[in-house]
Amino acid sequence: AQSVTQLDSQVPVFEEAPVELRCNYSSSVSVYLFWYVQYPNQGLQLLLKYLSGSTLVKGINGFEAEFNKSQTSFHLRKPSVHISDTAEYFCAVIHNNDMRFGAGTRLTVKP
Amino acid sequence: ETGVTQSPTHLIKTRGQQVTLRCSSQSGHNTVSWYQQALGQGPQFIFQYYREEENGRGNFPPRFSGLQFPNYSSELNVNALELDDSALYLCASSLVVQGNTEAFFGQGTRLTVV
Repeated sequence: AQSVTQLDSQVPVFEEAPVELRCNYSSSVSVYLFWYVQYPNQGLQLLLKYLSGSTLVKGINGFEAEFNKSQTSFHLRKPSVHISDTAEYFCAVIHNNDMRFGAGTRLTVKP
Repeated sequence: ETGVTQSPTHLIKTRGQQVTLRCSSQSGHNTVSWYQQALGQGPQFIFQYYREEENGRGNFPPRFSGLQFPNYSSELNVNALELDDSALYLCASSLVVQGNTEAFFGQGTRLTVV
């Protein structure tokens, strides 16, 4: 079965600085990859997804992620963060409709 | 706005009681999945229903059960509640035609067991 590891449980960063949230996955088959964001007391909102094609995926709110098959990674990046980006971010992998999530990375943007 | 609605938004129950959580899927979606998200953790897969049949189950005991109705709405039932059942319960709907697809999540139901 596939699994996801988010390498950082917490990432503090100053406003307008770049950020990278790391995600590694393990799977013996081809999978689809997702990043979701969760604001306090809310459900999950899709940021972006990799299904096939270009390995650089652009999502909402200025986020992008790069799929690296050889390193089994799907890191999320943003060149300049805002206070409003403070939230919990989850990487997820899906195969045959079985979706597995990482433990999450808490991004805190400080002024 | 994902088109997936869950009710109630918050719920407090006593240990040993039973609870039913409800989910209304996005129009046209034939698959619904339920997840349990404990505080500070990622969502854990409970089970999935496809066209009213259970289509996969995570590592949860039988006291967690579900239903999917012909209109593709769904229920999650939990019997004999335990304190550790306190969590955010998320419902996600998707349209499965072939292969994998994107899941759309509701806002969740916050269950507190006291």
